[in-house]
Amino acid sequence: QVHLVESGGGLVRPGGSLRLSCAVSGFTFSDYYMTWIRQAPGKGLEWLSCISPAGLTTFYADSVKGRFTISRDNTNNSLSLLISSLRADDTAVYYCARALYDATAYSPLDYWGQGTLVIVSS
Amino acid sequence: EIVLTQSPGTLSLSPGESATLSCRASQSVPTNYLAWYQQKPGQAPRLLIFGASRRATGIPDRFSGSGSGTDFTLTISRLEPEDFAVYYCQQYGSSPPNTFGQGTKLEIK
Repeated sequence: QVHLVESGGGLVRPGGSLRLSCAVSGFTFSDYYMTWIRQAPGKGLEWLSCISPAGLTTFYADSVKGRFTISRDNTNNSLSLLISSLRADDTAVYYCARALYDATAYSPLDYWGQGTLVIVSS
Repeated sequence: EIVLTQSPGTLSLSPGESATLSCRASQSVPTNYLAWYQQKPGQAPRLLIFGASRRATGIPDRFSGSGSGTDFTLTISRLEPEDFAVYYCQQYGSSPPNTFGQGTKLEIK
């Protein structure tokens, strides 16, 4: 059974950094693109970043390029998102998700974690 | 970057009725790679439809998707109480970012 579990969220001061993690199980992690998506309180879904199966190719939304860094550890079946220079508008639930199809970024997202809440406040 | 615009923002209907949700793209979505997700409060989104019209595993046949190019529709027939939620479209046919629409809230009338 496929499981994705995010962790690392919490209360952070503006300007600080945070690393979010997503632990996965139930599928061959190294075969799939993985994606981070966030949702600010009461708002819609915002696609943030995705990473290729081997970790060699990454994509970012323009809104987070330069501040967010996606990475993965295929040995430990783990996905990460490093967020730096945190701002109040980064406050959101952050989800990791798996592509439906392996080996391609041109895929919908079929499995999602439950999300981890990041609150940026002084 | 393809921008997706969903309408209406909110749709008020009664159980048993049919719902029609629209998703319009700022440019043609390659290969009609358009997906629909359902999200209930406090839950992660769930994939309903992909490839504009293919139902994901376990999705009831009262959910159907149609459209091509820039105009896509999610139709939910015979609304059940559990169908009242927020629905998002997403395109994944162009190089990422694989943008989402802003969502349509389907509420009980």
